Amino acid sequence: AQSVTQPDIHITVSEGASLELRCNYSYGATPYLFWYVQSPGQGLQLLLKYFSGDTLVQGIKGFEAEFKRSQSSFNLRKPSVHWSDAAEYFCAVGASNTGTASKLTFGTGTRLQVTL
Amino acid sequence: EAQVTQNPRYLITVTGKKLTVTCSQNMNHEYMSWYRQDPGLGLRQIYYSMNVEVTDKGDVPEGYKVSRKEKRNFPLILESPSPNQTSLYFCASSSHRGPNEQYFGPGTRLTVT
Repeated sequence: AQSVTQPDIHITVSEGASLELRCNYSYGATPYLFWYVQSPGQGLQLLLKYFSGDTLVQGIKGFEAEFKRSQSSFNLRKPSVHWSDAAEYFCAVGASNTGTASKLTFGTGTRLQVTL
Repeated sequence: EAQVTQNPRYLITVTGKKLTVTCSQNMNHEYMSWYRQDPGLGLRQIYYSMNVEVTDKGDVPEGYKVSRKEKRNFPLILESPSPNQTSLYFCASSSHRGPNEQYFGPGTRLTVT
């Protein structure tokens, strides 16, 4: 069964500082990987996704993530955080062995606080 | 505009009073799903549907029902709500093929007293 671990429940960074949110997954083959962001009172918005090819994936809002098979990780990064990035971030894994869209398994989320 | 809509957005009800949360998408997606979000637990899948008349249980289906009579609609039914079903509920949809992202609705905050 697939699973996702986000080890950091809460992270605080200063505006302008760099950010890295950690995500580790468990899956028997190459997974589909996603990062979603949830702003307060909002639904989930996709930041980026990985399913094959280049292991460094660019997303919206200046975010990127790197798939590292050897570490079973898909960490999210941003070089310079803006106050508007304060939100909750979810990593998710989807099964790739069915050839069709399938359920996503989500991590428990990391809440990002940005100080001015 | 491509979107997933849910109604109502907020609902307070009492134990045992049947309720339905509606979900509709306008993207002609085959796959639809319901999740509940609870603090510290992330999102957990309740039910999903691969297409019309095809539904299956997710990780936490107890106390819920769904139906998929039309492609665009996927209502979530709580026949006898209990306080432990107080949660934030999200509907999502995606295309049937490949690793397509799931599009999420705005959420329904349900309180059962």
